[in-house]
Amino acid sequence: DADVTQTPRNRITKTGKRIMLECSQTKGHDRMYWYRQDPGLGLQLIYYSFDVKDINKGEISDGYSVSRQAQAKFSLSLESAIPNQTALYFCATGGGGGRNTGELFFGEGSRLTVL
Amino acid sequence: QKEVEQNSGPLSVPEGAIASLNCTYSDRGSQSFFWYRQYSGKSPELIMSIYSNGDKEDGRFTAQLNKASQYVSLLIRDSQPSDSATYLCAVNWGSGGSNYKLTFGKGTLLTVNP
Repeated sequence: DADVTQTPRNRITKTGKRIMLECSQTKGHDRMYWYRQDPGLGLQLIYYSFDVKDINKGEISDGYSVSRQAQAKFSLSLESAIPNQTALYFCATGGGGGRNTGELFFGEGSRLTVL
Repeated sequence: QKEVEQNSGPLSVPEGAIASLNCTYSDRGSQSFFWYRQYSGKSPELIMSIYSNGDKEDGRFTAQLNKASQYVSLLIRDSQPSDSATYLCAVNWGSGGSNYKLTFGKGTLLTVNP
């Protein structure tokens, strides 16, 4: 089983619908991140969390919200999806237990298409 | 705006050659730098990290850092077709020992031709 699991892996939805992408990890990491990847634009940070009570906006947080339900779970929500939110979304984890190396471990990605 | 710039590529090299990937960053205060490899349709995976000026070697990979020039590079020796992927440069902007916030470059697509 993957250490960082994202669900769903693929989702097609319509404009205006609410969508939640979920991420869970078994690595025991404190830090969790949501990134968005668009062709030619690299990875852009949406939100990040350094522990359960810590939520921070990234570079492109408008139109998104997150919830850190537990150390191991970090969800990304699109309250009212729009077509330009069509992208590949990655959850990543890192750090914890003195292992603050900066290395991030990525989930397999969730491909979202908004029609 | 903290920026990380990479050669857009694509970069094509013959098998056995040295592939050179370059990255510049805008914030002089950055302390840690990473190279991730991403195969088509897959998630990024870390291949090198570097924190001090100079070279760091790991097998066929060498990362080079020059903080004065705000430049980091990745050399792949004896390139193999399996090295064909997009290489992402990432820079940590976070303050403090554990507050890692990575900004990624747009990536360079490398193709190694047999």
